Amino acid sequence: SQTIHQWPATLVQPVGSPLSLECTVEGTSNPNLYWYRQAAGRGLQLLFYSVGIGQISSEVPQNLSASRPQDRQFILSSKKLLLSDSGFYLCAWSSGNYGYTFGSGTRLTVV
Amino acid sequence: AQSVAQPEDQVNVAEGNPLTVKCTYSVSGNPYLFWYVQYPNRGLQFLLKYITGDNLVKGSYGFEAEFNKSQTSFHLKKPSALVSDSALYFCAVLSGGGNKLTFGTGTQLKVEL
Repeated sequence: SQTIHQWPATLVQPVGSPLSLECTVEGTSNPNLYWYRQAAGRGLQLLFYSVGIGQISSEVPQNLSASRPQDRQFILSSKKLLLSDSGFYLCAWSSGNYGYTFGSGTRLTVV
Repeated sequence: AQSVAQPEDQVNVAEGNPLTVKCTYSVSGNPYLFWYVQYPNRGLQFLLKYITGDNLVKGSYGFEAEFNKSQTSFHLKKPSALVSDSALYFCAVLSGGGNKLTFGTGTQLKVEL
């Protein structure tokens, strides 16, 4: 069966520090991968999506970047965090059958 | 641009009563519509989807949704609410050539005894 792993679950980072959040998928190949951010416990904003290794589409200009070094690995990064980067980050995957599966999320607090 | 709207920030219902969480959509072409539920500090869980076929879609935990093309709606329903149904519910539409889900703003459901 397919599973998605996202870590860490919580993270507190100082302003100006780097960030790396990792997401991996098991049990499928060539998935579409996504990073969403949820601010203030409500609306979901698509940040990046990837349809293959090295292929990244950015939805909004921001302080973050994404990379897909392997087929089932999706990484969200920042060189210098801002206070406004705080939020709940969700990774998700789909395999083209119109089903999306989400990870358990990472709560990032920038202090 | 394709979008979904959830007009209610919060819905309150007594346990045992029927519940409805509203969603309307705006798409070009055939809509692919979804409902997800989110419990505090958790990821989203899939409830149900409409791709084609029967307008009444049945999903997890006793939820169902009715696709209404003339009203461009996809309301989530449950005949008898439980306290454990209290959570944040998201409606979503597939766009971007089938690659991207666009979410509504979410509706907080509160079921009270």
